[in-house]
Amino acid sequence: DAEITQSPRHKITETGRQVTLACHQTWNHNNMFWYRQDLGHGLRLIHYSYGVQDTNKGEVSDGYSVSRSNTEDLPLTLESAASSQTSVYFCASSDRVAETQYFGPGTRLLVL
Amino acid sequence: AQSVTQLGSHVSVSEGALVLLRCNYSSSVPPYLFWYVQYPNQGLQLLLKYTTGATLVKGINGFEAEFKKSETSFHLTKPSAHMSDAAEYFCAASNNNAGNMLTFGGGTRLMVKP
Repeated sequence: DAEITQSPRHKITETGRQVTLACHQTWNHNNMFWYRQDLGHGLRLIHYSYGVQDTNKGEVSDGYSVSRSNTEDLPLTLESAASSQTSVYFCASSDRVAETQYFGPGTRLLVL
Repeated sequence: AQSVTQLGSHVSVSEGALVLLRCNYSSSVPPYLFWYVQYPNQGLQLLLKYTTGATLVKGINGFEAEFKKSETSFHLTKPSAHMSDAAEYFCAASNNNAGNMLTFGGGTRLMVKP
């Protein structure tokens, strides 16, 4: 069955370190998204991609970057981790924009 | 800008009682509307969605929602709550004017009492 996976599921890091969160989907979807989930804020869009070599900034992109070298993967990089980036991160993919997004299980990141 | 508002961050019902979770959106054009459910320590799972056509949409696990354009609402209901319905529920909207991006509400945590 097609799926979307994230790794690691839990991560503890220190401020100032670079961190990369992996997202891999086997749906063969063109569209991929990264969200962060914080209490009281719901899910907020960080970055998204409509296809290989395409990346776009979302609502809360400062301090984050993504790259899309193939259809299956959209890694999220925190260039220099800050305590404000402690959150749960979700990756999602969809076949067409505005259609159903399929979510990964999430990565819980703690920045000390 | 598009926004989605969920009234009530926490809703508590008794097992067997009606579940009503409220969602209102602001959009200048008809949106696509979604309800997602999130169980503890899991990702979001689609419950149901409205794109076009029939305004009463049925989803999984006995949930349904009705798109009311005049009220800009998309409330989620279930006639009889089960203990297994305890979870967090998110309403989301997208439309062409927002670049077809999903905008999420703040979420409603549903608690079901025995």
